[in-house]
Amino acid sequence: EDQVTQSPEALRLQEGESSSLNCSYTVSGLRGLFWYRQDPGKGPEFLFTLYSAGEEKEKERLKATLTKKESFLHITAPKPEDSATYLCAPYSGGYNKLIFGAGTRLAVHP
Amino acid sequence: EAEVAQSPRYKITEKSQAVAFWCDPISGHATLYWYRQILGQGPELLVQFQDESVVDDSQLPKDRFSAERLKGVDSTLKIQPAELGDSAMYLCASSFGEAVKEDTQYFGPGTRLTVL
Repeated sequence: EDQVTQSPEALRLQEGESSSLNCSYTVSGLRGLFWYRQDPGKGPEFLFTLYSAGEEKEKERLKATLTKKESFLHITAPKPEDSATYLCAPYSGGYNKLIFGAGTRLAVHP
Repeated sequence: EAEVAQSPRYKITEKSQAVAFWCDPISGHATLYWYRQILGQGPELLVQFQDESVVDDSQLPKDRFSAERLKGVDSTLKIQPAELGDSAMYLCASSFGEAVKEDTQYFGPGTRLTVL
């Protein structure tokens, strides 16, 4: 059975304090992995797609990396506006079915 | 910038009533998805359309939920009758389709359903 686990469930950081979020997965027929950001009461916002082990992508203070069994979202010198829930979603098989983790709730305090 | 549109944004209903949600995908997107997201969890796929055809509805509770995309553009998700456990955020997403390698799913703002 396909499984996705994100850790930690919640993370509190001081502004400027770098950290990493983890996404571990067991998915058959993996084709790639998405990262989304979700603000309270809103729909997920696309951040990155990763396709192969070793791939890295960056956007402002965020960098996503991918291995065969997990993905990391590194946040460098975060700001309060980075506070949100970060969702990872491997996808597989026909029709690109996404399997979402429960997310990591990030709070960045001034 | 093109966006996925959903309405209503909020819906409060009593159990046993019928509710309906509407979604208009990004123009040109052949694939449309309906997800349900319970508070504190990730979205779970309910149904996926390729044009007007259902390609995955394995997680759709078919005794009370129905979805249609008659002309392959906008879509409606219906619940009848609503139950207390249906309280959740209902998200619509769209993408170009599986033939595109980077087939990114773009999400709408969601409909927050509360069943009393």
